[in-house]
Amino acid sequence: DTAVSQTPKYLVTQMGNDKSIKCEQNLGHDTMYWYKQDSKKFLKIMFSYNNKELIINETVPNRFSPKSPDKAHLNLHINSLELGDSAVYFCASSQGTWETQYFGPGTRLLVL
Amino acid sequence: GQNIDQPTEMTATEGAIVQINCTYQTSGFNGLFWYQQHAGEAPTFLSYNVLDGLEEKGRFSSFLSRSKGYSYLLLKELQMKDSASYLCAVRPSGGYNKLIFGAGTRLAVHP
Repeated sequence: DTAVSQTPKYLVTQMGNDKSIKCEQNLGHDTMYWYKQDSKKFLKIMFSYNNKELIINETVPNRFSPKSPDKAHLNLHINSLELGDSAVYFCASSQGTWETQYFGPGTRLLVL
Repeated sequence: GQNIDQPTEMTATEGAIVQINCTYQTSGFNGLFWYQQHAGEAPTFLSYNVLDGLEEKGRFSSFLSRSKGYSYLLLKELQMKDSASYLCAVRPSGGYNKLIFGAGTRLAVHP
């Protein structure tokens, strides 16, 4: 299947831990994104990479660090997790920096 | 600031027509997107408008008026599977593909 995939689907962890979420797309797209959807359902962009280069970096705590090893992968590492980090994190991709974005299934993060 | 407003909830009857409105105030405008999101799932792309007017795609149509900062999504011949949240997103000027999303409109379709 051609798609955007994320792992894990669910992540339950304790405050203070460090965790990573992985995203892969096999659509041949050049641009990838990380979004956070909080309990009020607002989707907010966090980061975007185009061909492994960071092009969007919103006001996000520096505990969040994205990494793009190649243009098909974009991972998100979170240090020192806090309760407020609990949310659904969506990865997305687009053909270029102007095209329609297609979303992955989401990673539901719960910090206890 | 950037602001996208949509009604929080709407209900409609199977087979009917429903219009979901979206108003926006953003720093410039470079396109408006509608996405559908079923509970617990990913947003899926429905439509894109960048010029004024109506874009039709099967049972779904989307309208844009840039001068009024206004869009609507029209769903015809409603089906039970159309029960979902509908997200309006605007791409402001000068920032790659950064989308500003509204909170979404939760639509419940009843028999």
